[in-house]
Amino acid sequence: DAGVTQSPTHLIKTRGQHVTLRCSPISGHKSVSWYQQVLGQGPQFIFQYYEKEERGRGNFPDRFSARQFPNYSSELNVNALLLGDSALYLCASSSGTAEYNEQFFGPGTRLTVL
Amino acid sequence: AQSVTQLGSHVSVSEGALVLLRCNYSSSVPPYLFWYVQYPNQGLQLLLKYTTGATLVKGINGFEAEFKKSETSFHLTKPSAHMSDAAEYFCAAGGSNYKLTFGKGTLLTVNP
Repeated sequence: DAGVTQSPTHLIKTRGQHVTLRCSPISGHKSVSWYQQVLGQGPQFIFQYYEKEERGRGNFPDRFSARQFPNYSSELNVNALLLGDSALYLCASSSGTAEYNEQFFGPGTRLTVL
Repeated sequence: AQSVTQLGSHVSVSEGALVLLRCNYSSSVPPYLFWYVQYPNQGLQLLLKYTTGATLVKGINGFEAEFKKSETSFHLTKPSAHMSDAAEYFCAAGGSNYKLTFGKGTLLTVNP
């Protein structure tokens, strides 16, 4: 079975632009979470979606938004990009939302904001 | 709020030596605990997890971790390091708010 896939792998944007990152979960997984990993730091939780509904949100500004589609794939949108948004964005899928459910991570999208 | 602290941002060992990566968590209620490994330019891979029950947890690639409630610790060990173990390791805690809280990571270097 295919793992979690993310696209694109790399992206370069300039300040003020908008970006959309995409994630396809493992087949059968209904929960998708997004994390931001700044260089030299651990991943920081952004969102969790389950059955197309937002279940959790981290401490990120409203410039960050996400949605989940009927096929359980997900998009993360970031508006008005700042230099500080440069990071690796990780998507993770799991079979449920319980805190003990294993989250399977994709390879990430490397976003560079110039 | 939960927090996870990994002592030592960089650990260097010789091939064949013991690996010990330290993790402490802060929580009023023992959380669910995880260790992930990240190889360069890749996502995170789960090594092992503690939910309930046995406090000594065995994972993949010969790694194990012991949950010690009295010390709020969940240190990761491997008896004999291999060159392929060189990577970044993250300790994480899962609570009741749907998210994983990660430590800052420990970069493991294995010297020949």
